[in-house]
Order: sequence, then structure tokens, then C-alpha cells
Amino acid sequence: QSALTQEASVSGTVGQKVTLSCTGNSNNVGSFVVVWYKQTSHGAPKTVMFGDSLPSGIPDRFSGSKSGTVASLTISGLQPEDEADYYCSTWDNSLSARVFGGGTELTVL
Amino acid sequence: EEQVVETGGALIQPGGSLRLSCAASGFTVSSKYMSWVRQAPGKGLEWVSIIYISGERYYGDSVKGRFSISRDTSKNTIYLQMNALRAEDTAVYYCARDVGRSGSHYWGQGTLVTVSS
Repeated sequence: QSALTQEASVSGTVGQKVTLSCTGNSNNVGSFVVVWYKQTSHGAPKTVMFGDSLPSGIPDRFSGSKSGTVASLTISGLQPEDEADYYCSTWDNSLSARVFGGGTELTVL
Repeated sequence: EEQVVETGGALIQPGGSLRLSCAASGFTVSSKYMSWVRQAPGKGLEWVSIIYISGERYYGDSVKGRFSISRDTSKNTIYLQMNALRAEDTAVYYCARDVGRSGSHYWGQGTLVTVSS
């Protein structure tokens, strides 16, 4: 059981907007920046969002936000190459540990 | 360009010990938070350990008391000493340069640790 809750799977068509969520509590998501990762075919993860800031090289169709204890990663104008597993992570002050979500499998139809 | 490269993965028997290395380039390990994250076959990402710029260290519950993170600034390398290995420690271990405590920015390619008799 992961400390952060993500949808198991999400799908969308090319060009569509999709939003992935990462739900925690006041000790983690509610207090710290959430980082998002993309992983294809179990290669190394790639960081796609720090809070609401894009790392260099990540397309600006990716955006991040947070409301209370729920963080979101939105992909506007979905592309075939966006198909991957997406994970979120943040720090948990009560556990003194980094926590991850279980991951969302994004399928581009 | 900031980069990390892990080495040291192997097939090891239960109860054994192994040390993983993570060599950094393009930055100094003592000026960044650094972490180890693992991924068991067919599973999601699991955080293992972090070393702060200050030298403070924290561990995930599943490895606490068995694993130890350290750094060698002269070699610009961090290590993960793994003792009392169990079958459930089998995973690809990733080293990462962090963005504070919340998460990682630059990842290595990973090194496979298999614990089996």
C-alpha cells in the first residue's frame, strides 16, 4: 500500500487533455513539493515536473498543480510518446521518509 | 552535463552483503541531496535512502538497520552498503541527484541486484 494514491490507469486520445492525480495528506503532499516522473518500459525514470516547474527539455504541454493534499499532472495535447507509467513523490514529515505513489499507467489510444 | 552512473550490482546469496557505487559528474555530491531508489521486477518505485548536504541520512522502513548510505567527496561518489540481504531486496537500484527532499532530478541507468540461492 503506497503512501500516495494514484490512479492505476488512465487513457486518452491524441490531442486530448488528461490529468493524473496524486493524493496524500497534510504530512506529505499538503506540506511539500511533489515531483513527477515518467518511465517507459522499465527504463530509468525521467523527471517531468517539480511542483509547477518544468525541468529543461520537458515539453510545455506538461503542467503541475496542487490543491490541499492533491497534486496533479496535466498533459495538454496528448502525444503517442507520452504513453508511459507516471509516478509522484514527496517528503513525509511524520515518517521522515520520501514516499512514492503506486504509479499510473497512461495509455494513448 | 550532470550525470550519475551506478555500478556494483550482482547476484548474491540471502544473508550476504554488497556495496553499490554511484559516480557523479558535472556536480559535486557534497553540494546536493542524493538518493537511492529501487524497483523490484514488475513493481513500482520504492525510495531506499537519502543523504543530505549536511550529511544527515534517512532510510526507508524496509531497509532500516541493514543498509547504509555514505559519500566520498574525494571520489565524488556515493555508496549504498547493503547487509543481511533478503530475496525481497531483489531490484534495480537507481542512484539519483535530488531536488531537495521531495524528489529526484537526474537518474542513473540503474544496477541490478538479485538476491537468490
